[in-house]
Amino acid sequence: EPEVTQTPSHQVTQMGQEVILRCVPISNHLYFYWYRQILGQKVEFLVSFYNNEISEKSEIFDDQFSVERPDGSNFTLKIRSTKLEDSAMYFCASRGEGTPAIVAGANVLTFGAGSRLTVL
Amino acid sequence: AQSVSQHNHHVILSEAASLELGCNYSYGGTVNLFWYVQYPGQHLQLLLKYFSGDPLVKGIKGFEAEFIKSKFSFNLRKPSVQWSDTAEYFCAVNAHFQKLVFGTGTRLLVSP
Repeated sequence: EPEVTQTPSHQVTQMGQEVILRCVPISNHLYFYWYRQILGQKVEFLVSFYNNEISEKSEIFDDQFSVERPDGSNFTLKIRSTKLEDSAMYFCASRGEGTPAIVAGANVLTFGAGSRLTVL
Repeated sequence: AQSVSQHNHHVILSEAASLELGCNYSYGGTVNLFWYVQYPGQHLQLLLKYFSGDPLVKGIKGFEAEFIKSKFSFNLRKPSVQWSDTAEYFCAVNAHFQKLVFGTGTRLLVSP
């Protein structure tokens, strides 16, 4: 079964450092997402990406955050200058195109295993 | 804007007990409804989904959920839980092709 893969699985960084989290979405998917889950809290939407541009972003996704699809397969989340409160599990997700009645699995997000970011 | 409420934050059950986890959403239009499960140390996995049709949806591992449009609810049920069902369960909603919005999650502990 196709998977969304994320690297690294765990990263520890110092406050103020830049972090790049990488995701390889399912190959024929066209919509990409980043979510995060702070320990003990709910899963929060960060950003969605389609056709090489951001389609929606949340209030959390401020100027410190950016996303990129540099090579047609990877989908990255960059945090320019990490803060303590950025410590969380970051999930990448992707989905295909089409309506659910026509394309099996359309509109269903497939999530990666997550990247745990610890900011010290 | 869509929102999702899960009223039970922590549920503790004995094996073989029946489970029902509540989920209510607010959105005026047509929605897609999902339950995701997160086993300890693992990633989010889709348990079941509802797009249209029969409001009683059956998912993996014996779970089912019922969409009651008049109550804006999509409660998750399982007749007899097992120790291996210990996990966190997230209800999620999206309008067609919009972002997925998650509830706060319900942590289920099944004691053997």
